[in-house]
Amino acid sequence: NAGVTQTPKFQVLKTGQSMTLQCAQDMNHNSMYWYRQDPGMGLRLIYYSASEGTTDKGEVPNGYNVSRLNKREFSLRLESAAPSQTSVYFCASRERGGGEQFFGPGTRLTVL
Amino acid sequence: QQQVKQSPQSLIVQKGGISIINCAYENTAFDYFPWYQQFPGKGPALLIAIRPDVSEKKEGRFTISFNKSAKQFSLHIMDSQPGDSATYFCAASSRGRGSTLGRLYFGRGTQLTVWP
Repeated sequence: NAGVTQTPKFQVLKTGQSMTLQCAQDMNHNSMYWYRQDPGMGLRLIYYSASEGTTDKGEVPNGYNVSRLNKREFSLRLESAAPSQTSVYFCASRERGGGEQFFGPGTRLTVL
Repeated sequence: QQQVKQSPQSLIVQKGGISIINCAYENTAFDYFPWYQQFPGKGPALLIAIRPDVSEKKEGRFTISFNKSAKQFSLHIMDSQPGDSATYFCAASSRGRGSTLGRLYFGRGTQLTVWP
């Protein structure tokens, strides 16, 4: 039982490049989330998916897109990376009715 | 608008002392209040959580105190240890409708350092 897994762990991009961050969970959770963490700003929600087939914007969605591929997988795409997107990105999942939210280990992204 | 406000931003405590972190919220629909602990290079992990039908919950050295009328809750760490040094986040959620169901709103975090 791996919980929430994220790939890659580290990534360096040049401004304007694109990439996709992958997330998968094996806990059969309905809801999945993408956060970014910056010093002094806490965890800010980028996008979330309350259930398979639905996605919604969070607090800071600009510059990102998401895909809920199936119940297990939720990917985050940066179409044209900017230095302001340098951050640590966390994926999380939770059962739709509430309770504990489980986080992945994070992806540290640097945009030059 | 920040849904959950957390203070202090950083806290330094001597080993054996009590660490106290406070959070406040406005949305009276919130009915689940967890605290998450995060070590450097790791994802946050649930530490302890409370629902508003009780005023206090204790797990080992960690206690949540909840004041529904003041819309405040706090984390107390008794006998703080160097191994408790981490970032702590409070959060809140409600049984919202539709897509907001279960969404957690996080405070900005408190970096705790416990000196030996």
